[in-house]
Amino acid sequence: EVQLLESGGGLVQPGGSLRLSCAASGFTFSSYSMTWVRQAPGKGLEWVSAISGGAGVPYYADYVKGRFTISRDNSKNTLNLQMNSLRADDTAVYYCAREISYSSGWYRPFGKWGQGTLVTVSS
Amino acid sequence: DIQMTQSPSSLSASVGDRVTITCQASQDISKYLNWYQQKPGKAPKLLIYDASNLETGVPSRFSGSGSGTDFTFTISSLQPEDIATYYCQQNYNLWTFGHGTKVEIK
Repeated sequence: EVQLLESGGGLVQPGGSLRLSCAASGFTFSSYSMTWVRQAPGKGLEWVSAISGGAGVPYYADYVKGRFTISRDNSKNTLNLQMNSLRADDTAVYYCAREISYSSGWYRPFGKWGQGTLVTVSS
Repeated sequence: DIQMTQSPSSLSASVGDRVTITCQASQDISKYLNWYQQKPGKAPKLLIYDASNLETGVPSRFSGSGSGTDFTFTISSLQPEDIATYYCQQNYNLWTFGHGTKVEIK
């Protein structure tokens, strides 16, 4: 069974940093692209960042480019998101998700999701 | 960037009703459109991918259609367990979600 378990969320002051992790199990982690999606309280879904399987090519939404860094450790089946220069509008539940392998697109839909971890940016 | 316009933002329907949600892309995205269901306090769930393909295990009352810029998501007979917010998402160039449609029971 595929499982994704996020950790690392919490309360941080504006300008601060936080590192999220997602522990994956139940599949060959290195073979899949992984992504982070966030949801601000009471708001919709927002794609944040993704990283390809294999070579680990990163992709970022414009509003986090230069502040967030996505990485993966295939030996530990772990996805990470280093978040720096955090702002109040980064407050959200952050979900880790895995692509589906059977979609025909280059950028694939997200078929498996974790339960999310809450990041609160406030003084 | 590709923008996704989803409508309506909310709807109320009776059990057994046919429910339709539309999603319009700001440019041609071919068939690269997906639909997700999110229940309160839960992670999203993929229902439809590549515009019309039903994800494994998803009930057949859910369906999707469209290509290019205009897409439709349909629940053929609304059930109480379908109460949720539904999102479209393009994956033609990176990923963008629509703003969501909250479905309630009348």
